[in-house]
Amino acid sequence: QSALTQPASVSGSPGQSITISCTGTTSDVGGFNYVSWYQQYPGRVPRLLIYEVSKRPSGISDRFSGSKSGNTASLTISDLQTEDEADYYCSSYTSSSTWVFGGGTKLTVL
Amino acid sequence: QVQLQESGPGLVRPSQTLSLTCTVSGASLSTGSYYWTWIRQPAGKGLEWIGRIYTSGSTYYNPSLKSRVTISKDTSKNQFSLKLTSVTAADTAVYYCARLPVSDAAFDYWGQGTLVAVSS
Repeated sequence: QSALTQPASVSGSPGQSITISCTGTTSDVGGFNYVSWYQQYPGRVPRLLIYEVSKRPSGISDRFSGSKSGNTASLTISDLQTEDEADYYCSSYTSSSTWVFGGGTKLTVL
Repeated sequence: QVQLQESGPGLVRPSQTLSLTCTVSGASLSTGSYYWTWIRQPAGKGLEWIGRIYTSGSTYYNPSLKSRVTISKDTSKNQFSLKLTSVTAADTAVYYCARLPVSDAAFDYWGQGTLVAVSS
């Protein structure tokens, strides 16, 4: 299975909004509403931000939102803050009953 | 509060078998609709899903690792384990265990991760 495609890096200024894309195929992102997003600080454990494309777990800020169109899912972070600087990963269930991650996106808050 | 903790050798020789255990507290491996999973991350690289075991004991593996991976569980100890055979330097990574509820299909609880180096 091939990794989902994410941009290697994105950047934004405090207060702005950014969007990270996650592109797959009809066998994963496009075929199921089981896309999730994770935030990971250097040396730390990944944290679940979004599940089932657009749902937020308890305790996750509403500045984080998710969506999907066709084979591409997106994570949007609004009102960007310095503490949002981290790596972000998407993940999807696949038609082979497996899971696949994206390559990760490094967010820099300028 | 659900907690997961990985344990196992931090160094494995090339061609040998990597063996890790994940001890779960706050949840039972024998009940509920959960997949118990292994994920790894080489230094400076992305996450890779290794495989999962269901409450029933059924397993699925990453096709790229399938020939070398076995995941099993010991419900009496509330532990599940990973065995990866014929390791090479490319298997050097931080290995995480994580829980994935069937209903949400997302990794909601993670262990702290354990670094396994493959080196002679």
